[in-house]
Amino acid sequence: AQKVTQAQTEISVVEKEDVTLDCVYETRDTTYYLFWYKQPPSGELVFLIRRNSFDEQNEISGRYSWNFQKSTSSFNFTITASQVVDSAVYFCALSEARGSTLGRLYFGRGTQLTVWP
Amino acid sequence: DAGVTQSPTHLIKTRGQQVTLRCSPISGHKSVSWYQQVLGQGPQFIFQYYEKEERGRGNFPDRFSARQFPNYSSELNVNALLLGDSALYLCASSGRDVSYEQYFGPGTRLTVT
Repeated sequence: AQKVTQAQTEISVVEKEDVTLDCVYETRDTTYYLFWYKQPPSGELVFLIRRNSFDEQNEISGRYSWNFQKSTSSFNFTITASQVVDSAVYFCALSEARGSTLGRLYFGRGTQLTVWP
Repeated sequence: DAGVTQSPTHLIKTRGQQVTLRCSPISGHKSVSWYQQVLGQGPQFIFQYYEKEERGRGNFPDRFSARQFPNYSSELNVNALLLGDSALYLCASSGRDVSYEQYFGPGTRLTVT
């Protein structure tokens, strides 16, 4: 079965602190995709990153970085030097690449990040 | 280019009524998916359409139905509304294939009283 766990329900930090959001996933498929989305108070889900299961290379995009470790089934997201505008709910999601569930996203419950000035 | 658009933005219905939600994908995208997000939870998959054919259906009752039109826009219908149907309904479109990244619209906030 497919499952995404985001154990951190809420995180509060002060501006300029680094923060890591954890994501652990379960899947029986050997080919799958992992995603992170940001949901600001407006409600729209904003796509941040997509990784496939064959690419474990870490990725950095500005203040954002992602650490994908297949051995621990984790896909963690780090924001460096956090800013107030980073305050949002962040979702980790899994999509399998084959079979009847191809393309559907399985989301975790989300982590509410609050960055205080 | 315009992103995914959804209408209406907000909707208030009474139990037992029916509702239709609309979605227009990003230009050139052929796949549309619908998700339900109840307050405090992650989105749950409802339907996926690709090239006007249903590609997948989540664990939702038959009161939920959808379709995709020749221009790739989509409608989600919910009959016999229950209080528990109150949620944010999100539409997502993806490009060449259903496995590519999905881009979400702003959602329709449905309140059932």
